[in-house]
Amino acid sequence: GAVVSQHPSRVICKSGTSVKIECRSLDFQATTMFWYRQFPKQSLMLMATSNEGSKATYEQGVEKDKFLINHASLTLSTLTVTSAHPEDSSFYICSAPTWTSGTDTQYFGPGTRLTVL
Amino acid sequence: GENVEQHPSTLSVQEGDSAVIKCTYSDSASNYFPWYKQELGKRPQLIIDIRSNVGEKKDQRIAVTLNKTAKHFSLHITETQPEDSAVYFCAAKYQDKLIFGTGTRLQVFP
Repeated sequence: GAVVSQHPSRVICKSGTSVKIECRSLDFQATTMFWYRQFPKQSLMLMATSNEGSKATYEQGVEKDKFLINHASLTLSTLTVTSAHPEDSSFYICSAPTWTSGTDTQYFGPGTRLTVL
Repeated sequence: GENVEQHPSTLSVQEGDSAVIKCTYSDSASNYFPWYKQELGKRPQLIIDIRSNVGEKKDQRIAVTLNKTAKHFSLHITETQPEDSAVYFCAAKYQDKLIFGTGTRLQVFP
């Protein structure tokens, strides 16, 4: 299958600081990438759709000024959690679709565990 | 929008038995239904998927069935093994986005 990488895998930061998470498609180009958040023992909740060359599309209830998304190239999307607070502590996962057998299959990055102290 | 429900939330089976996880979706426009397996702290891994023009698909011990009329789809794992223990998520593709079910924690006891 296709490979999606994420960096960093873990980050611990102080409350009020900003954290940037990178998502890369390693062996394919992705005009669209997706960002999810997963709290412990819960499902994956879609936060936003990252679009190369245009603004991200945010899901209802997700603050666009707090979660800044930039799709800098066909292989890179970044999520910046601004002014992070303890309630932002979560597992953030990106995914990118690639065409397989006539439709797009989504492959996930390994995730970034964010802990805000 | 799309809503995906998944049952059961936990499932314990004896090694060698079968496991069935069921999902329902709300929007008939959804046309692609993948299943993911997620181990603790790891990324979700695609294990099987089915598209709306197909009623059933099988890959070794794993099979998925889709009933478009009832908006149901199910994952079937036969001859379960301890390494099948994980959380399984169903999803439905809606407007180019994947909407996930709430997950099923499967435990396979030796």
